[in-house]
Amino acid sequence: DAGITQSPRHKVTETGTPVTLRCHQTENHRYMYWYRQDPGHGLRLIHYSYGVKDTDKGEVSDGYSVSRSKTEDFLLTLESATSSQTSVYFCAISESTGQHYEQYFGPGTRLTVT
Amino acid sequence: SQQGEEDPQALSIQEGENATMNCSYKTSINNLQWYRQNSGRGLVHLILIRSNEREKHSGRLRVTLDTSKKSSSLLITASRAADTASYFCATDLSSGSARQLTFGSGTQLTVLP
Repeated sequence: DAGITQSPRHKVTETGTPVTLRCHQTENHRYMYWYRQDPGHGLRLIHYSYGVKDTDKGEVSDGYSVSRSKTEDFLLTLESATSSQTSVYFCAISESTGQHYEQYFGPGTRLTVT
Repeated sequence: SQQGEEDPQALSIQEGENATMNCSYKTSINNLQWYRQNSGRGLVHLILIRSNEREKHSGRLRVTLDTSKKSSSLLITASRAADTASYFCATDLSSGSARQLTFGSGTQLTVLP
């Protein structure tokens, strides 16, 4: 999985609690992404980062925040978890050079909000 | 709605047969990519085709791109049970420093031994 780890891999939490998911890369890639995957929706982009402290919103950013204080770490926080945020969350990275690029994905975090 | 939509949603074939999956998209793209996802795992990049290319091969994979019809197809020849997975197309609409892919909802391929 291209030097990308996600933690935790599984989490069960209660509605209303804050949750932070961590993505860690060893590739020194500039771009990092958080997606959620739900049945029938494919992958939807939550937030992405194009450098340390540089982030932007994706398609489904409401209820989520992110931070990137180091190149290797990208954190996703659910400020107050809701049942609709039950999903599988994937982190991805990509290089900054070249016009065409691919993304490398982590193993995913399965989050259940009860 | 999704930029890329795969068709069919599910496909079941016998080992040794060819599998064809299609992807349609709505706006102009820089490139289109195909990814595979095995059950419970992250996505893995398979192949990238640029907007000025019409066909690309990689091993048993053949990808075509028709920008006039805004569609792409992925052909897997001589399929194997290990090809059982979900396949996603992703379109690159990036401009400037932004680099984002938009994924379709995928085709679930089952290859029966």
